[in-house]
Amino acid sequence: GEQVEQLPSILRVQEGSSASINCTYENSASNYFPWYKQEPGENPKLIIDIRSNMERKQTQGLIVLLDKKAKRFSLHITDTQPGDSAMYFCAARTGFASALTFGSGTKVIVLP
Amino acid sequence: EAAVTQSPRNKVTVTGGNVTLSCRQTNSHNYMYWYRQDTGHGLRLIHYSYGAGNLQIGDVPDGYKATRTTQEDFFLLLELASPSQTSLYFCASSDSGGAPEQYFGPGTRLTVL
Repeated sequence: GEQVEQLPSILRVQEGSSASINCTYENSASNYFPWYKQEPGENPKLIIDIRSNMERKQTQGLIVLLDKKAKRFSLHITDTQPGDSAMYFCAARTGFASALTFGSGTKVIVLP
Repeated sequence: EAAVTQSPRNKVTVTGGNVTLSCRQTNSHNYMYWYRQDTGHGLRLIHYSYGAGNLQIGDVPDGYKATRTTQEDFFLLLELASPSQTSLYFCASSDSGGAPEQYFGPGTRLTVL
């Protein structure tokens, strides 16, 4: 199996600054690490992912870093906007076709 | 975009009651999943399936049964509901292989009194 720890549980940031969320996993065989965003009253949606053969991935103001040695991966939201206020979940998958194990979530609050 | 629907959207039952949550996906995905979402715990996997007739046990299966009758339909059964099963339930589907994105349904809020 897999266990994923996610911190912090709540993150308050000033609009225009960066927000960082960190996750750690236990199983060195984990090979796929997606991030989901859930807005209030909505379902989770994939925003970015990274595979184990990569160390960094960037798309539209989002950066994901993966440190396999430390079994740690992180999401960085640059230039935060009010629309970035939401719950964010990291996840890890072990094996080619197994299910995801999710972290406990981070509530990001962007302050004006 | 992948379409996943769930019914009912809200359900109230009493302790010991029998509840069935339904999920349908219309994107020919092989994999379907049932999660529960609780504050402080994130999304926890209950059961999942990689095809009609197949069932895999997730991380929190106690008190739940599931059945995949067709490629499109996945059901979650609570035969003796307890207050600890009060939660927001999400169904999701994904294609097989590679780095499959999971598409979530709108959720079912279940309250067990």
